[in-house]
Amino acid sequence: GENVEQHPSTLSVQEGDSAVIKCTYSDSASNYFPWYKQELGKRPQLIIDIRSNVGEKKDQRIAVTLNKTAKHFSLHITETQPEDSAVYFCAASEDTGRRALTFGSGTRLQVQP
Amino acid sequence: EAEVAQSPRYKITEKSQAVAFWCDPISGHATLYWYRQILGQGPELLVQFQDESVVDDSQLPKDRFSAERLKGVDSTLKIQPAELGDSAMYLCASSPRTVKLTDTQYFGPGTRLTVL
Repeated sequence: GENVEQHPSTLSVQEGDSAVIKCTYSDSASNYFPWYKQELGKRPQLIIDIRSNVGEKKDQRIAVTLNKTAKHFSLHITETQPEDSAVYFCAASEDTGRRALTFGSGTRLQVQP
Repeated sequence: EAEVAQSPRYKITEKSQAVAFWCDPISGHATLYWYRQILGQGPELLVQFQDESVVDDSQLPKDRFSAERLKGVDSTLKIQPAELGDSAMYLCASSPRTVKLTDTQYFGPGTRLTVL
């Protein structure tokens, strides 16, 4: 089955700096890669996703890049703000809505004001 | 905006007791997932339904866990007997039958289980 590894496990940045979280996956059949933000005790919230037919996607301060050859994808947050502090999870799936997501182990992001 | 509903939100039980969680997916969503999230880890799939049929329950500890979705709508996850290691957040998610490019899995608020 799929295995997703996520690094780093914790990340501390100064407000205004950029943050990068990286994930690798093992199953070449995976073609859907969402990123979730989870605040303490709350549900995972989708912040951005990418499908294998594109290499990059951007939404305001958030961007995701995908390298299918190397089987890795990354989340980039620019101009970080204190409210970006949370745990971020990457995930992979063969087929949106038809296959379960395999999640990474999470990255705790702390943005220092 | 429609959301996945779960209840209860919190459950405290003693080990060896039985517990049950309920999930109501977004109306019309054919696929329903139960995930378990242990504190400090990512969610892991327990069971996936397509309508009323189980698609994947390979990670469900079947000696103590059971799940059903009798009419292909809402679902119940049961644990009997509960063990200390079952303390976790139980998340339900759903996704539509015909997946468009903008679709994804939509998560409910979760049930936080504490086993004493």
